[in-house]
Amino acid sequence: ETGVTQSPTHLIKTRGQQVTLRCSSQSGHNTVSWYQQALGQGPQFIFQYYREEENGRGNFPPRFSGLQFPNYSSELNVNALELDDSALYLCASSFRGGPEAFFGQGTRLTVV
Amino acid sequence: EDQVTQSPEALRLQEGESSSLNCSYTVSGLRGLFWYRQDPGKGPEFLFTLYSAGEEKEKERLKATLTKKESFLHITAPKPEDSATYLCAVQAEEGAGNMLTFGGGTRLMVKP
Repeated sequence: ETGVTQSPTHLIKTRGQQVTLRCSSQSGHNTVSWYQQALGQGPQFIFQYYREEENGRGNFPPRFSGLQFPNYSSELNVNALELDDSALYLCASSFRGGPEAFFGQGTRLTVV
Repeated sequence: EDQVTQSPEALRLQEGESSSLNCSYTVSGLRGLFWYRQDPGKGPEFLFTLYSAGEEKEKERLKATLTKKESFLHITAPKPEDSATYLCAVQAEEGAGNMLTFGGGTRLMVKP
């Protein structure tokens, strides 16, 4: 059974650029959620995907968008990067109807 | 709005010195309360799920308990390898599927 994997592990981008982060969900899981974790804080929910559709969204602007593919993998896209977007981005996979979520190792994004 | 508050923010213990971490929550109908462990630069690692007041779960030196307003993570005779940030999260009965609302975490340091 494979766990949740994210790529890349680290990324440096310039303010105003766009970035795409990727996530492969755990085997058997059909729901993917994305979280943003600023340094020293708890993770904050960005959005969730189920059956390739957004299934809930936190308090994040539209420049944060996502995709889920038929194999349940997912992408997080952020446009017009701002300095405050610097954070650890976490992907979590779960089975629809099951409460437990399992996290990947995260992607550390630095915006300069 | 669902809220989770963890205390203390940081805790320093000597090896073998038992203690407890607190997680206070408000949620409109609790579906589950979750404890995660997070090592620096890594994704959260799932520890426990608690569903109803009075429930307890144990794993090695860790024991999680739940009341209607708070949860405790008791650490018995901790070792240096227990040093990590411990995150508490709630999942509401209503809301975006498997969305988790996290607290800010308790950073635990165990000195030999």
